[in-house]
Amino acid sequence: DTEVTQTPKHLVMGMTNKKSLKCEQHMGHRAMYWYKQKAKKPPELMFVYSYEKLSINESVPSRFSPECPNSSLLNLHLHALQPEDSALYLCASSQEGAGGLTPYEQYFGPGTRLTVT
Amino acid sequence: QQPVQSPQAVILREGEDAVINCSSSKALYSVHWYRQKHGEAPVFLMILLKGGEQKGHDKISASFNEKKQQSSLYLTASQLSYSGTYFCGTEIITGGGNKLTFGTGTQLKVEL
Repeated sequence: DTEVTQTPKHLVMGMTNKKSLKCEQHMGHRAMYWYKQKAKKPPELMFVYSYEKLSINESVPSRFSPECPNSSLLNLHLHALQPEDSALYLCASSQEGAGGLTPYEQYFGPGTRLTVT
Repeated sequence: QQPVQSPQAVILREGEDAVINCSSSKALYSVHWYRQKHGEAPVFLMILLKGGEQKGHDKISASFNEKKQQSSLYLTASQLSYSGTYFCGTEIITGGGNKLTFGTGTQLKVEL
C-alpha cells in the first residue's frame, strides 16, 4: 500500500472557526510533512515530523498547529485563519526521518482544498 | 531560495522531445523530480544524487551537475500522459531533517 490519505477533500471555514485536517499513511514511513500550495505555485513546506517529533517548522503562523499522534497519523489544527490561508494543503510521507543521508522520495496525499471565508 | 526552472511552459506535439532545466543558487545534495497533474497530488519521478549520474525510466531521464548546481529532465517521444506541471525539488539536510524546496515549475502540455 503506497497510499497517503487525507480528509476532508474540501473544507470551507469562517475566520473564527476551528477545524482539523487529517493525514494517514500505512507504509511504515518515519517522516511526515505538511505543505501548502497556492494555485499555479509549487508546494511550500510548512512542517516536518520525524519519528513523531516536530523537527522543522518553516516559521508558520501559530494559527496552524500540527500534531502527530502516532507514526501513521498527522493532523493540522486550524484556528482563526485568514482568507489568504485558502489553498491546497498537501500531506506527504517518506521512509527516512531526521538527518538521514539517503534521500527518499516523498509520497503525497491528494490534498485538502481549504477555503477561508 | 527557490530553484528556478525553465521554460515556464511548453507545448509539444505527441512524439516530440522536451528538456526542462532546474537551476539552484545553493549547493545541492540531491535533486528530486515530480509531476503534478491538474487537481492531483505531485507524483515522484526520480531522485538524483551528487556525482553527475543520469537516471531514467521509460522515456523520461534526468541528469544532475552539482558543480553547476543544475539538473535537467529529458522527456523523449512525449505522450499525452506526460502533460502536467513538472517540479524539481532540491534537498538539503539539516539537523532537524531533510528539507525539500520545490522549483518554480514547468507546465507541459502534449497535444495530438
